[in-house]
Order: sequence, then C-alpha cells, then structure tokens
Amino acid sequence: GAVVSQHPSRVICKSGTSVKIECRSLDFQATTMFWYRQFPKQSLMLMATSNEGSKATYEQGVEKDKFLINHASLTLSTLTVTSAHPEDSSFYICSARDPSPVAGGADTQYFGPGTRLTVL
Amino acid sequence: DQQVKQNSPSLSVQEGRISILNCDYTNSMFDYFLWYKKYPAEGPTFLISISSIKDKNEDGRFTVFLNKSAKHLSLHIVPSQPGDSAVYFCAATGAGSYQLTFGKGTKLSVIP
Repeated sequence: GAVVSQHPSRVICKSGTSVKIECRSLDFQATTMFWYRQFPKQSLMLMATSNEGSKATYEQGVEKDKFLINHASLTLSTLTVTSAHPEDSSFYICSARDPSPVAGGADTQYFGPGTRLTVL
Repeated sequence: DQQVKQNSPSLSVQEGRISILNCDYTNSMFDYFLWYKKYPAEGPTFLISISSIKDKNEDGRFTVFLNKSAKHLSLHIVPSQPGDSAVYFCAATGAGSYQLTFGKGTKLSVIP
C-alpha cells in the first residue's frame, strides 16, 4: 500500500512551547490529508481536514488557533501545536487520501505511524 | 451519536480458526467501508475495503462482507494467526465526503 511518514515519532516539550509535526505522502500526491488524535484506549478522533492550497477545515471543538495546519504541497502537511499544555499530550496521527484508482479505493486513506507528544 | 459501532471491545480466537469482527452503521449515506488494523503506538494499517455496490470483497486471508439492508459489515480472517493480534477499526465514508467515521475498535487476540 501507499506510504505515509510522520516526523517526529516522539516529542517531549515544556509547557508553553510550540511543536511542529510533519506528515508526508511518500509515493503519491495527496490533495487531502487528515489529522487525528487518539487518547488511550479510545478510537481515532478527527481533528481537521487539510486541503492542499487552501485553509484547513476543523472539527467542532478543535481550536484552529491552537492547532495550526499547513498543507503547502501535495506531499506535505504540517500540524503545529501552539503554546502546548499537558492536556495536549496525546498520540497524533495523520492520514493521506490516495486518489489513485488502482489503490484500495478512491476513498482509501493511508495513515502515518503517529507522533507521541508529551507536554511537561 | 455513534454512526459506526463495533459492539465487541475484544475477541479471543484460537490460532488457525476463523476470526469474525462485526461492525454496524446507522448512516445510510455511507457508501464505502474500510477495515484498519492497529498496533499500540502505531498508525492504523489499511487492510481491506468494500464499496456499497458489492456484498463481498476478498483479499488473501481477509474477507469483508456487507449487508446493506441490515447496515452491517463483518471482517473474516481465516486462518487466524498470532500476528493478527491487534485492534481492528471499522470505518465508513460517503455522501461526497472523504472523511472517515471510525468505530471504537475491537481488540483481537489470537491464541497460539
């Protein structure tokens, strides 16, 4: 299947600092990427939809000024957690939609390996 | 309101036997369904999908069945292997949106 990478895989930061997480589609162009958050023993929670060249669409309850999303190219989306606090500690996962008809399906999303954020 | 439901939080199966994971949905606008496998601290891995125009899709040991009238789908794994032990998420999309709606997952344990 298609490959999506995330960097960093793990980050520990002090409260009040900003953290940037990168999501890259390695072997396909993704016009649409998604950012999820997962709390322990819970399902994935969609935070926002990232569209290349336009503003991200945020889910209800997600602060757009706190979670800045930039999708500057067809292979890269970034999530910046601004002024991070301990309650932002979580597992953040991105996915990229592969529009290729030979993939699992036009609506198949491929996920990155995730980023574990710990805010002290 | 949970639109995709996986009512069994866990399932244990003997190695070599069949694993059946179930998923129900409520939104009739969903027209594409996917199964993902997830290990702890990793991103989900795409397994298999099915369009609403089909009722069965098979890929190796994995088969997904869709019953539209019952709004139910299931993932069959035959034969089950210890490496299949993971959390399995059912997801759905449709109505022109690319967003996935996930179930809460079922933790599968395959016992050697």
